[in-house]
Amino acid sequence: GENVEQHPSTLSVQEGDSAVIKCTYSDSASNYFPWYKQELGKGPQLIIDIRSNVGEKKDQRIAVTLNKTAKHFSLHITETQPEDSAVYFCAAPITGGFKTIFGAGTRLFVKA
Amino acid sequence: KAGVTQTPRYLIKTRGQQVTLSCSPISGHRSVSWYQQTPGQGLQFLFEYFSETQRNKGNFPGRFSGRQFSNSRSEMNVSTLELGDSALYLCASSWGTGGYEQYFGPGTRLTVT
Repeated sequence: GENVEQHPSTLSVQEGDSAVIKCTYSDSASNYFPWYKQELGKGPQLIIDIRSNVGEKKDQRIAVTLNKTAKHFSLHITETQPEDSAVYFCAAPITGGFKTIFGAGTRLFVKA
Repeated sequence: KAGVTQTPRYLIKTRGQQVTLSCSPISGHRSVSWYQQTPGQGLQFLFEYFSETQRNKGNFPGRFSGRQFSNSRSEMNVSTLELGDSALYLCASSWGTGGYEQYFGPGTRLTVT
């Protein structure tokens, strides 16, 4: 069935360390994988996305990697800062279904 | 460019009442999707509208409905409210359909008492 699993549910790191969040999807036809950041009292914000024809994409301190064979993709945040503290969601649109399935979210704490 | 706006931001209703939430997408965006966010269930897809047509609906009862107008603005309606409908309702807009590059509004916090 349609499913996106996200791990870990909570992640605590020291400022300056790296953080990695992983997601596994079930629809082998999925071809677009976004990551969202949600701060308290706000809606999710698209921070980076990747399409299935590339394996990695970087934007300053954040990067996303994709392994289509294993059907998983990961978010990497380097040199974490306190303002990175938020809930992060991965997602995968269901191809042809006009529907997006979200992971359960990862609460990231960056300790100063 | 203005972002996605949702009104109202907060709403308190009583069981059995109905409610209408509004979403104005980013200018030029033709797709609007609605999601329900709760601590227990996370982000759950409600429906997507593109060019005034509902493209898909999530696994929600018929009490949940929506529509999209010719200017791409969208409304969702929940009738006969239940306590379990208390949630943050988010809408997201995108240029095309299919879930690509969705931009979310701040949400409407609905509390049912």
